Amino acid sequence: DQQVKQNSPSLSVQEGRISILNCDYTNSMFDYFLWYKKYPAEGPTFLISISSIKDKNEDGRFTVFLNKSAKHLSLHIVPSQPGDSAVYFCAAMGNTGTASKLTFGTGTRLQVTL
Amino acid sequence: KAGVTQTPRYLIKTRGQQVTLSCSPISGHRSVSWYQQTPGQGLQFLFEYFSETQRNKGNFPGRFSGRQFSNSRSEMNVSTLELGDSALYLCASSLWTGGGGYTFGSGTRLTVV
Repeated sequence: DQQVKQNSPSLSVQEGRISILNCDYTNSMFDYFLWYKKYPAEGPTFLISISSIKDKNEDGRFTVFLNKSAKHLSLHIVPSQPGDSAVYFCAAMGNTGTASKLTFGTGTRLQVTL
Repeated sequence: KAGVTQTPRYLIKTRGQQVTLSCSPISGHRSVSWYQQTPGQGLQFLFEYFSETQRNKGNFPGRFSGRQFSNSRSEMNVSTLELGDSALYLCASSLWTGGGGYTFGSGTRLTVV
């Protein structure tokens, strides 16, 4: 049962344009969401997070939007740069009695082309 | 400060063998979590240790076990290895349990042949 879903396994965007990565979740107990970026042969690196009491959080080129009613979040990268090419994982955690774990999506591979 | 250190980086084992992986958290971090990454499955939670106690466990068979030492270093063990255990095993540390501020190591790539 995949509680966090990233339905697009890959995305290609031109340099300078906006990259939009999507994530859906099914567990309404999740109340904290994170995005991680992963390069090959490295561990995931934390990018940005959002609490369920907010609907937007911004950090430089990265903005995360949360739509609780739709159980959907998205990561916007503007402008996209070649160094952004990586696999992006959406993760969720919450007061489910297992608050100490992250539930990850399967990832979206972003390729930023010149 | 030093990041999360996982050893070894690569490992090849034969079916039926057992393996022990090590994780040294960031200094001062007391929570260590383990994840398994396989193609198409994303990162799957194995277990979390905090102050030498297992706080949470994922849906993995009993062949997967772990422990944490008084210096917060953690080990995970997989016994009776199966081909399907081939994966990247990632360790993450954080100051407290449930805080969300997880820092990941680079992982141990385990190949079972």
